Amino acid sequence: QVQLQQSGPGLVKPSQTLSLTCAISGDSVSRNSAAWNWIRQSPSRGLEWLGRTYYRSKWYNDYAVSVKSRITINPDTSKNQFSLQLNSVTPEDTAVYYCARHLWAGGNWFDPWGQGTLVTVSS
Amino acid sequence: DIVMTQSPDSLAVSLGERATINCKSSQSILYNSNNKNHLSWYQQKPGQPPKLLIYWASTRESGVPDRFSGSGSGTDFTLTINSLQAEDVAVYYCQQYYSTPYTFGQGTKLEIK
Repeated sequence: QVQLQQSGPGLVKPSQTLSLTCAISGDSVSRNSAAWNWIRQSPSRGLEWLGRTYYRSKWYNDYAVSVKSRITINPDTSKNQFSLQLNSVTPEDTAVYYCARHLWAGGNWFDPWGQGTLVTVSS
Repeated sequence: DIVMTQSPDSLAVSLGERATINCKSSQSILYNSNNKNHLSWYQQKPGQPPKLLIYWASTRESGVPDRFSGSGSGTDFTLTINSLQAEDVAVYYCQQYYSTPYTFGQGTKLEIK
């Protein structure tokens, strides 16, 4: 059974960098039939896909245009996890952040999800 | 971006009755190469992440009760919950995976009447 366990601070100051990690058990971040995603949820923006990282002979990333200039998603093969960094945060980045997997073999629905991390951007 | 619009925003249904939630995409999400609709449905309860219920618009995820069913094609889709149970109280979301950025509907809150 695949499980995703998130970690990271729940409070970030404006203009600083939001950093979260998603540890994978029961699967591999390097599996070439999977992609590892970050999604956030807020009352104002609903569920918003932020981006993904995946391995297909080499590492790739796709990012949402809305955050493309500020986001980095990195795999860490030594720890079997992946991370989210979002730079120059503002209060509008306050949200519950989720990591999630999708598989390439089928369709790109999200399953499983991490437990979620509420990140508040405030001074 | 493909915009997903759900209706209604909220719904109150009596126990044992049927709940119907609609989802409309701004363009067709029927993929010609596999003749499948790239749409999934999720259930979210307070304090929990979304839970996958249905994919390919009508295929139930393993372990999901058969009172949940999905239908539709192209741009118009429906999630039906037959014989509503108390544990079905939640917010339901549709999601398209036809193209990135993957997008979700705004959610439909289902309550007991």
